[in-house]
Amino acid sequence: SQQGEEDPQALSIQEGENATMNCSYKTSINNLQWYRQNSGRGLVHLILIRSNEREKHSGRLRVTLDTSKKSSSLLITASRAADTASYFCATGGYNQGGKLIFGQGTELSVKP
Amino acid sequence: NAGVTQTPKFQVLKTGQSMTLQCAQDMNHEYMSWYRQDPGMGLRLIHYSVGAGITDQGEVPNGYNVSRSTTEDFPLRLLSAAPSQTSVYFCASSYSGARGTEAFFGQGTRLTVV
Repeated sequence: SQQGEEDPQALSIQEGENATMNCSYKTSINNLQWYRQNSGRGLVHLILIRSNEREKHSGRLRVTLDTSKKSSSLLITASRAADTASYFCATGGYNQGGKLIFGQGTELSVKP
Repeated sequence: NAGVTQTPKFQVLKTGQSMTLQCAQDMNHEYMSWYRQDPGMGLRLIHYSVGAGITDQGEVPNGYNVSRSTTEDFPLRLLSAAPSQTSVYFCASSYSGARGTEAFFGQGTRLTVV
């Protein structure tokens, strides 16, 4: 079974608005990562947050992690049409050899 | 740098045929993994490897074999293709690290079994 569940499954916003995606997971983790996938392409790493971190920023991205609630959120500020993609959270465990357990993803559509 | 290279990009197989999906990385990463992606299912781990000569099963290993004879290559073998194996397959690699490191993905192989 998959580790993460993402919410919402689909999100449609206007350019310039903020987009928030949520991820919940089931077991203890070492780190949580977010990836973006453009239609028909491979996944691209966005950001990694470790279990002892609560918030991390990268450009227009802000990720939070609440290990007590086993949840994370990804905020994309001032969205652009080019942000249209699917976004996946993935969890890594301790000494798990690079294994990642993915959520089902959020499909984001940013309309110009 | 090429990163992670998967071949072929597209493949159609008949039920019962076998084939090998190739994956190569040029980043000297210790960890390599295979995932399959089905509509609405996200990515599911098939097999992974923590180094040459070491492999282990993931969440959905049945019907697939792997081997890792070199650091660079991690081929995925379908022993007897079934329609349920119709999917998009992704190979990924990453550095080893106790605190976790980002994974680099190939562009995928789209497999159809008829």
